[in-house]
Amino acid sequence: AQSVAQPEDQVNVAEGNPLTVKCTYSVSGNPYLFWYVQYPNRGLQFLLKYITGDNLVKGSYGFEAEFNKSQTSFHLKKPSALVSDSALYFCAVGGGFKTIFGAGTRLFVKA
Amino acid sequence: DAGVIQSPRHEVTEMGQEVTLRCKPISGHNSLFWYRQTMMRGLELLIYFNNNVPIDDSGMPEDRFSAKMPNASFSTLKIQPSEPRDSAVYFCASSFKGLGENNEQFFGPGTRLTVL
Repeated sequence: AQSVAQPEDQVNVAEGNPLTVKCTYSVSGNPYLFWYVQYPNRGLQFLLKYITGDNLVKGSYGFEAEFNKSQTSFHLKKPSALVSDSALYFCAVGGGFKTIFGAGTRLFVKA
Repeated sequence: DAGVIQSPRHEVTEMGQEVTLRCKPISGHNSLFWYRQTMMRGLELLIYFNNNVPIDDSGMPEDRFSAKMPNASFSTLKIQPSEPRDSAVYFCASSFKGLGENNEQFFGPGTRLTVL
């Protein structure tokens, strides 16, 4: 069975500082891993995905994620946070037809 | 491309009334998903279709909920009769799924449903 966990309900970071939003997963076989972002009153937007290849995946808006097979993690990172990055972030794992979404982590970036 | 289109964007109704939510997926996508989002329960997958066929409706909460996809460009989610606990934001999403693939989903703007 597939599952995904986001251990932090909320992450606070100062503008200009690096940010990390954590995600761990459980899946049999090779995982499809995704990050999505949701701004207020909007649908989820795709940020990036990992299928195979380089462990560091680059996505939209300067975000990147690091796939770590031994730790079964797929943490979202950005070198320098912006106030406009404040949003709800979802990690997701896919396989077959289904994609399982995490509970979400709310990111607050303070000016 | 206009993206995934949902209507209405907002719906306020009274308990016991029928509610129909509509979705137009992105052209060329063969998979369609209906989700419900609330503060208490987060994002829940209700049902998904592949090539217009329902694949898994195990997330549909009760028999009051039904979904159809009569063709590749249209889907509906119906609640009859509606109850206050159905109040939520309902999202439709679409993606293209090839053999052995699981690609990113594109979400619509959602329908905010309030049942009084």
